[in-house]
Amino acid sequence: DTQMTQSPSSVSASVGDRVIITCRASQGIGRWLAWYQQKPGQAPRLLIYGASNLQSGVPSRFAGSGSETHFTLTISSLQPEDFATYYCQQAESFPLTFGGGTKVEIK
Amino acid sequence: QVQLQESGPGLVKPSETLSLTCTVSGGAISPYCWNWIRQPPGKGLEWLGYIDQTGKSRYNPSLERRVTISVGTSKSQISLDLKSVTAADTAVYYCVRYLYGDSRPSWFGPWGQGTLVTVSS
Repeated sequence: DTQMTQSPSSVSASVGDRVIITCRASQGIGRWLAWYQQKPGQAPRLLIYGASNLQSGVPSRFAGSGSETHFTLTISSLQPEDFATYYCQQAESFPLTFGGGTKVEIK
Repeated sequence: QVQLQESGPGLVKPSETLSLTCTVSGGAISPYCWNWIRQPPGKGLEWLGYIDQTGKSRYNPSLERRVTISVGTSKSQISLDLKSVTAADTAVYYCVRYLYGDSRPSWFGPWGQGTLVTVSS
């Protein structure tokens, strides 16, 4: 199985801050990576797929980059609605696996 | 716009079978893969498996001996059966469609709202 490791596990930030979340894969996965946002009591929502492709309707302040084993999700200017938990997911091989999540909290 | 709705018992006894149904509305079952993903309270996400447009299923090896995913007789329902449950199977269970019609590894598009299943006597 491909293990996905996210860091940090939590981050405290203020509205307007730039936030960077890292996801590392235990083996190369090309650009087969997606990012999801989950708010309390809600299902996850796809933000980015193919490492850097913004899903329809997702604000442009979200950006993904990286390849093979190292990926990042950047929120350029944190908004109040962005406080949530973020998960990466590899889509290179079965079983499909997720990172442990990064909780973005209000500072 | 496609909508997914999970349903089933919220409480299952240890050693019994957990059975859930996902009802799909506003879109076709084909040509997509339909997945089940679960999330224990306060924890991360685990992919359980999928069924594709041909009726072929694929499962997470960690659960393969206990899980079955199938298409219901109505053809707009996807079913999940998980046998011999323990407290470790307590989780929110989500029905999720692939973003695109494909049976390769892929990413997830529409999600159901999820249903909490508690395993307890």
